Amino acid sequence: KQEVTQIPAALSVPEGENLVLNCSFTDSAIYNLQWFRQDPGKGLTSLLLIQSSQREQTSGRLNASLDKSSGRSTLYIAASQPGDSATYLCAVRHLPINSGGSNYKLTFGKGTLLTVNP
Amino acid sequence: NAGVTQTPKFRILKIGQSMTLQCAQDMNHNYMYWYRQDPGMGLKLIYYSVGAGITDKGEVPNGYNVSRSTTEDFPLRLELAAPSQTSVYFCASSPFSGAAYEQYFGPGTRLTVT
Repeated sequence: KQEVTQIPAALSVPEGENLVLNCSFTDSAIYNLQWFRQDPGKGLTSLLLIQSSQREQTSGRLNASLDKSSGRSTLYIAASQPGDSATYLCAVRHLPINSGGSNYKLTFGKGTLLTVNP
Repeated sequence: NAGVTQTPKFRILKIGQSMTLQCAQDMNHNYMYWYRQDPGMGLKLIYYSVGAGITDKGEVPNGYNVSRSTTEDFPLRLELAAPSQTSVYFCASSPFSGAAYEQYFGPGTRLTVT
């Protein structure tokens, strides 16, 4: 059974600092990995999606890397801002089991609560 | 383009009551999903659908039912609500294509059962 772990559970940093959020998964047979942002009382916003064949994806100040063989992904946030404060979730999508396709299931970590202090 | 919409935003139910959580998407996505998120926990898949008329169970289906009569709508039915169903419910959709299968989420419904 796939398990996704995110470390740390919470992180508090001063504004302007660069930071790294970690995500690890137990089964490396994944199709892709997705990083989400969740604001309090709100839904999930997709930040980055990395296919299993890719090593990294970048969007603005965000960079996500994937090392499938070791079961790890990191989300790097450069020059953090108070507006970056949120919970960050990573989720992995499993490989299809058969040609009918079970490539729909996302397994989520519990998230990292990030606070960026002005 | 509204994306994925959910209603209601909040609801309080008494034990034993029933209700339907509504979910709609306007992106013509074939795949739709229902998740629940308990405090401090990751999201868990309740049910999913790969197209109109086709649904299947996820990890935690007990106490819920779904239907998918159209591509756009995927309602989640709670029968005989129990306190254990207090949670935030998210609906999501993804396209059926050879591409990324990125999932798009609605804003959630916060349900309290007392």
